[in-house]
Amino acid sequence: QKEVEQNSGPLSVPEGAIASLNCTYSDRGSQSFFWYRQYSGKSPELIMSIYSNGDKEDGRFTAQLNKASQYVSLLIRDSQPSDSATYLCAVNARGGGSYIPTFGRGTSLIVHP
Amino acid sequence: NAGVTQTPKFQVLKTGQSMTLQCAQDMNHNSMYWYRQDPGMGLRLIYYSASEGTTDKGEVPNGYNVSRLNKREFSLRLESAAPSQTSVYFCAIPGSTKKHEQYFGPGTRLTVT
Repeated sequence: QKEVEQNSGPLSVPEGAIASLNCTYSDRGSQSFFWYRQYSGKSPELIMSIYSNGDKEDGRFTAQLNKASQYVSLLIRDSQPSDSATYLCAVNARGGGSYIPTFGRGTSLIVHP
Repeated sequence: NAGVTQTPKFQVLKTGQSMTLQCAQDMNHNSMYWYRQDPGMGLRLIYYSASEGTTDKGEVPNGYNVSRLNKREFSLRLESAAPSQTSVYFCAIPGSTKKHEQYFGPGTRLTVT
């Protein structure tokens, strides 16, 4: 059973702070890693993808991947109230002709003014 | 959610009733996916289709059937609805830039009483 673990939170941070979200996964054959943001009542939307060890930065977001330790994290700098949402970690392993994703349960982030 | 449409948006069923959830894409992708999302459970894969005419079980297929009659449409059928199938259902396709990511439809909120 492939597992993706996230702390459910809520993680509460003040506006302007750095929010750090973490995710661990069990399948060493995983090849691609994603962070999705989901606002209440909406569908998930992709915000970051990472495929190799190290850091990947996109604006205020930085994804970090460590395959040896089997974890992936998301840092949100200068957090804004509009960042308040649930963040889903997803990990893909190849299954036949498709990449089969496994999602974590999500971490709820609250950014308070 | 341009690119993936789902119908209906909301549905209330009585136990034992049947219904079909419809998903259509206009992105010409081979793969399509059905997920359910329950509070605190993240997204769980029900079925996926790697190409027209093929389907495979995901993590939670029991109680569901799917049909992929053409490249554009992937339907999910509940033959005899149960209260445990109360959930939000999302259809997804691969992203257009990197095929490993997922792009979600707006979702169908289903209540079974």
